[in-house]
Amino acid sequence: SQQGEEDPQALSIQEGENATMNCSYKTSINNLQWYRQNSGRGLVHLILIRSNEREKHSGRLRVTLDTSKKSSSLLITASRAADTASYFCATDFVQGGSEKLVFGKGMKLTVNP
Amino acid sequence: KAGVTQTPRYLIKTRGQQVTLSCSPISGHRSVSWYQQTPGQGLQFLFEYFSETQRNKGNFPGRFSGRQFSNSRSEMNVSTLELGDSALYLCASSLITVQETQYFGPGTRLLVL
Repeated sequence: SQQGEEDPQALSIQEGENATMNCSYKTSINNLQWYRQNSGRGLVHLILIRSNEREKHSGRLRVTLDTSKKSSSLLITASRAADTASYFCATDFVQGGSEKLVFGKGMKLTVNP
Repeated sequence: KAGVTQTPRYLIKTRGQQVTLSCSPISGHRSVSWYQQTPGQGLQFLFEYFSETQRNKGNFPGRFSGRQFSNSRSEMNVSTLELGDSALYLCASSLITVQETQYFGPGTRLLVL
């Protein structure tokens, strides 16, 4: 099963509203990253939060990490139509002596103008 | 710096054929990872190369193979194609490890008929 799973799987909001996406994972991690993908193109890195950090901001993005609950949330404030995309969380951890980066299945965000 | 490039962008093959996809990482990046993305399975890790050595491998059959050259460029090969191999194949590079920000290419969309 996936290490990270986004919730909800789909979200539709109006422009100007905030969008919150959640990611839950199973094992202890080193870092957690969020990526965006537009219409079957390559993924674009949004933000990386380390396991010893609790919150991080980047422009209109705010990411929180709760390692005790094994969960993270991505908040996009004042959403725009251009934010319409799929969002993925990715967790990296060590298994069997090697580092792994595992992506969730993604969450589709639609921002209506 | 130029981004990650992948060639070809689109490919149509028939069952039983083989295919080779190419990925040129960002200059200076030594880690190259490959992912298969399908609507049903999401983003699945194929393998990661570093300094011409496969450092990590996902759960894919032996028909999927790859290599990395001394200039960090990477290729992946799929032999005896099956219908289920139809997918978007994404390549990502980073400086050294998968714990860092991954920079994705635009992907190669493979259709197997």
